[in-house]
Amino acid sequence: EVQLVESGGGLVQPGRSLRLSCAASGFTFDDYAMHWVRQAPGKGLEWVSGINWSSRSLGYADSVKGRFTISRDNAKNSLYLQMNSLRAEDTAFYYCAKDLGTWGLQPFDYWGQGTLVTVSS
Amino acid sequence: EIVMTQSPATLSVSPGERATLSCRASQSVSSNLAWYQQRPGQPPRLLIYGASTRATGIPARFSGSGSGTEFTLTISSVQSEDFAVYHCQQYHDWPLITFGQGTRLEIK
Repeated sequence: EVQLVESGGGLVQPGRSLRLSCAASGFTFDDYAMHWVRQAPGKGLEWVSGINWSSRSLGYADSVKGRFTISRDNAKNSLYLQMNSLRAEDTAFYYCAKDLGTWGLQPFDYWGQGTLVTVSS
Repeated sequence: EIVMTQSPATLSVSPGERATLSCRASQSVSSNLAWYQQRPGQPPRLLIYGASTRATGIPARFSGSGSGTEFTLTISSVQSEDFAVYHCQQYHDWPLITFGQGTRLEIK
């Protein structure tokens, strides 16, 4: 059974940093691209960042480019999102999602339950 | 960035009725379009990809159609468990993947 479990969310002050993790199991992690998607409470989905299987191809939404960094450790079956210079508008549930394919050019067939990030003073 | 626009924002139907949801792209995404269902308090679930291919385990009452800029999700006979929010997503423009704002399917 595919499982994606996010962790690392919480309350953080504006301008500070936070690192999210996603532990994957139930599939061959290094065969697939992975993504982070966020959803502000009561709002729609926003793709944040994606990474292909080898970490050679990365992508970011304009809203987080230069502040967030995605990475993965295939030996640990883990995906990460380093979030710096956080803003109030970054407040959202952050979901880890598995790509259907290897290069990040497919939709997302499995999602975690999400971790809540609240940016507030 | 490709902008995805869903309509209507809210659709009210009675159980057993047909529901038709629309998604429009600001430029062609070919068939690189997916639909997701999201129930309250749950993550999204992939329903349709490639505009018309049902994902694993998705009932046949869900169907997708369209290509280019106009897409439709149809639920042939809405069941109680189908009342949820539906999101469309284009994955044509890597790395600028974008979602629509969602359509809420509610009980009439």
